Amino acid sequence: GEDVEQSLFLSVREGDSSVINCTYTDSSSTYLYWYKQEPGAGLQLLTYIFSNMDMKQDQRLTVLLNKKDKHLSLRIADTQTGDSAIYFCAEYGGYQKVTFGIGTKLQVIP
Amino acid sequence: DAMVIQNPRYQVTQFGKPVTLSCSQTLNHNVMYWYQQKSSQAPKLLFHYYDKDFNNEADTPDNFQSRRPNTSFCFLDIRSPGLGDAAMYLCATSSGQGGYGYTFGSGTRLTVV
Repeated sequence: GEDVEQSLFLSVREGDSSVINCTYTDSSSTYLYWYKQEPGAGLQLLTYIFSNMDMKQDQRLTVLLNKKDKHLSLRIADTQTGDSAIYFCAEYGGYQKVTFGIGTKLQVIP
Repeated sequence: DAMVIQNPRYQVTQFGKPVTLSCSQTLNHNVMYWYQQKSSQAPKLLFHYYDKDFNNEADTPDNFQSRRPNTSFCFLDIRSPGLGDAAMYLCATSSGQGGYGYTFGSGTRLTVV
């Protein structure tokens, strides 16, 4: 079955770049996502990348996909305190189902 | 604004007392999902509706049921809540066309006492 793995915690200083990593197992994944969850809230779609792309940039966010290694990363440039949240990696393998990772808690130190 | 709304935000129920959580959407999306999220865990898919077609996950306990009376509304019924059912319950929708991502509600935090 599908499995998505992420590290649990990342701490960065305000203004630095953050890189959150994820590995997945389903080689047939067509879309990969990054979601953000703030305390007590639902998940917010940040960005997604098609499996035929290597990179996608959206303002401060850069997503890198290494399909050979099944590795996805999210880079946040100039990290701000408002970026503190839990970031979920997720994959879509079809049949209307998305599988989520456990989430990486990003702590931004002022 | 088009959105997904979950009610209530917080629900306290007694052990064994049936409880219903509500989700509504104004996106006119075909697919509606219910996820269970426990602390420090990945959201776990319970089931989803594609229009009126119900799709249950193999490991979803029988204690959990769902209803979708129309496009806009979907309900999660927990017939006999146990202490282990305390969690955040997340409703999400998608258009059903490929994997353009879900739109989530804010969730309902369920406490079982």
